[in-house]
Parts: sequence; structure tokens; C-alpha cells
Amino acid sequence: DQQVKQNSPSLSVQEGRISILNCDYTNSMFDYFLWYKKYPAEGPTFLISISSIKDKNEDGRFTVFLNKSAKHLSLHIVPSQPGDSAVYFCAALNAGGTSYGKLTFGQGTILTVHP
Amino acid sequence: GAGVSQSPSNKVTEKGKDVELRCDPISGHTALYWYRQSLGQGLEFLIYFQGNSAPDKSGLPSDRFSAERTGGSVSTLTIQRTQQEDSAVYLCASSLAVGGSYNEQFFGPGTRLTVL
Repeated sequence: DQQVKQNSPSLSVQEGRISILNCDYTNSMFDYFLWYKKYPAEGPTFLISISSIKDKNEDGRFTVFLNKSAKHLSLHIVPSQPGDSAVYFCAALNAGGTSYGKLTFGQGTILTVHP
Repeated sequence: GAGVSQSPSNKVTEKGKDVELRCDPISGHTALYWYRQSLGQGLEFLIYFQGNSAPDKSGLPSDRFSAERTGGSVSTLTIQRTQQEDSAVYLCASSLAVGGSYNEQFFGPGTRLTVL
């Protein structure tokens, strides 16, 4: 049962344009969401996060939007740069019980930004 | 060190052998996590530690997998009698604590395990 889903395996964008990466979740107990970026042969790098009490968080070129009613979040990168090309993972945190520390990840979306 | 370190970076072993993977978290981080990424898959949670105790072992695939953490620092993940399906990249992460913004987990580079 995939509780966090990234339905687009890949996304291709022109440099300077906006990249929009999407993520859906099913578990209503999730209360904190994170985006990670991963280059080949490296561990994931934390990008940006958002608490369920907010609907938007912005950090430089990166903005994460959360729509709780739709159980949907998205990461916007603007303007996109070739160095942004990587795999992007959406992750969600369980709010309670013994799974409090566990991040549940989506399958990842490969972003390619063309010069 | 400045970040999470893992050793070895690569491990090739024969089916049936035991392997130990090591993780050194960021100094001062009380929480430590193990994940794995199999070919073509997302990251799969295995286990996490709060201090030296493991509140959630639900992700361990079988009783051949075990992990320990001593002194609130270094952790080892042990896989006994390895099988070919254990081949994956094993990632370790640490965070300041557990919960909310403290759960921004910082990952190591991973150990690529290949079971022949």
C-alpha cells in the first residue's frame, strides 16, 4: 500500500521556466512533509518542509504548497536551473504512535532541466 | 565530521554470508534512521533509534535483519545469511530529535550492497 505517491516518474523543463513536482498521500495522520533531492551515488539532501498547519512555505527558488483537503502537495522551483536536475522525493511524517520518527517516501520524480 | 558517514561505501558478498553496515550520525543528533533503496524503488524505512532504543522496528524485512546503536552515536545494521533480494543501497540518516521540524533528516551517502 503506497501511502505517498509521486505519479510522474519524470519531468523535463526548460531552463528559466517553472518546475512543478506533485505528491499525493493517503494517510490522514501525516502532519509534516518534506522534499528531498538526490543526485546519483549520493544520499538524499533535504530541500524544504511544511507543517500541516500551513499551506505554503517558501525558501528562495523553492516553494512547497500543501492542500490538506485534497491530500496533495507540490514543490515549485522557479526559475529552474540545470543544476536542479536530480531525483526529487516527497516524504511524509507520521504524527503518532511508535511510527512517529518514520518518514514515508514517494517513489521519486526525475527532473531534467535543459539549458 | 560535518555530515553523516557510512561504511563501507560498497560491499559485495556471497549469498549466505553475514554483513555489517556502519553509520556515524551527525554529532549531537539523538535520532538515527536506516532506509534502503532497491533498484527502481523509492526509499523504504527499516528502523529508527531514539537514543539507543528502537521504538519502531516495523520496517525490518525479516528476522535476518537487526540493528543496534550504542552510546547514542554509531549504529550498525547487520544482515545475516544474505539473500540476493537484499541487494540495495542502505541509507542512514540522523536528526536532532524526533518530531516536527526536528525530523529534518540528514542522509549519509549510503552503502551499496550486492549479494551474488
